[in-house]
Amino acid sequence: DSGVTQTPKHLITATGQRVTLRCSPRSGDLSVYWYQQSLDQGLQFLIQYYNGEERAKGNILERFSAQQFPDLHSELNLSSLELGDSALYFCASSYRGATNEKLFFGSGTQLSVL
Amino acid sequence: AQKVTQAQTEISVVEKEDVTLDCVYETRDTTYYLFWYKQPPSGELVFLIRRNSFDEQNEISGRYSWNFQKSTSSFNFTITASQVVDSAVYFCALSEGRSARQLTFGSGTQLTVLP
Repeated sequence: DSGVTQTPKHLITATGQRVTLRCSPRSGDLSVYWYQQSLDQGLQFLIQYYNGEERAKGNILERFSAQQFPDLHSELNLSSLELGDSALYFCASSYRGATNEKLFFGSGTQLSVL
Repeated sequence: AQKVTQAQTEISVVEKEDVTLDCVYETRDTTYYLFWYKQPPSGELVFLIRRNSFDEQNEISGRYSWNFQKSTSSFNFTITASQVVDSAVYFCALSEGRSARQLTFGSGTQLTVLP
């Protein structure tokens, strides 16, 4: 058990809808990352937060947004969903958010857009 | 731009065989970090090892060993005497220090160990 909690584990929705994925980092970790894993794109970095502030941005679509709250949990909001958004979304955490730190990953949220 | 290539998409071995997973990386930074993660069938990504660009010392941990060679930009991973429980997808990943680019993952190698 990595200590990172993601909810829900599975989400089925329709095109055009909006969903929110939730992540609680490991106790003591200040940085949260979001990754998307799909068959065609592999594991792609979306966005990173550190202590409530956006730290780095990757291949995140404009329809997607995220935030990290004062209690350090994070939410990833996906809107105007398309079939191609179907993927496994991982949250990860680390203590300082430095590039040399190992990441602790949650078990992921499997999103299916029908 | 940073890039990680895992040319082996799938590898199948019989239990107790040794197996090496290849990883080749590209980066313009002189300071960078290499990682291996394992994704078992349960789906969660698990950290295995980290190496920084200044430390080419190879490492052995139990049945696992890693061979880092800057001259060929490779960071290969060997499992000795493989076991069925080693069956998983293995990802090599790179992060750059100076540009602070976050982890870039390779496409992964699906390892199947047959009994």
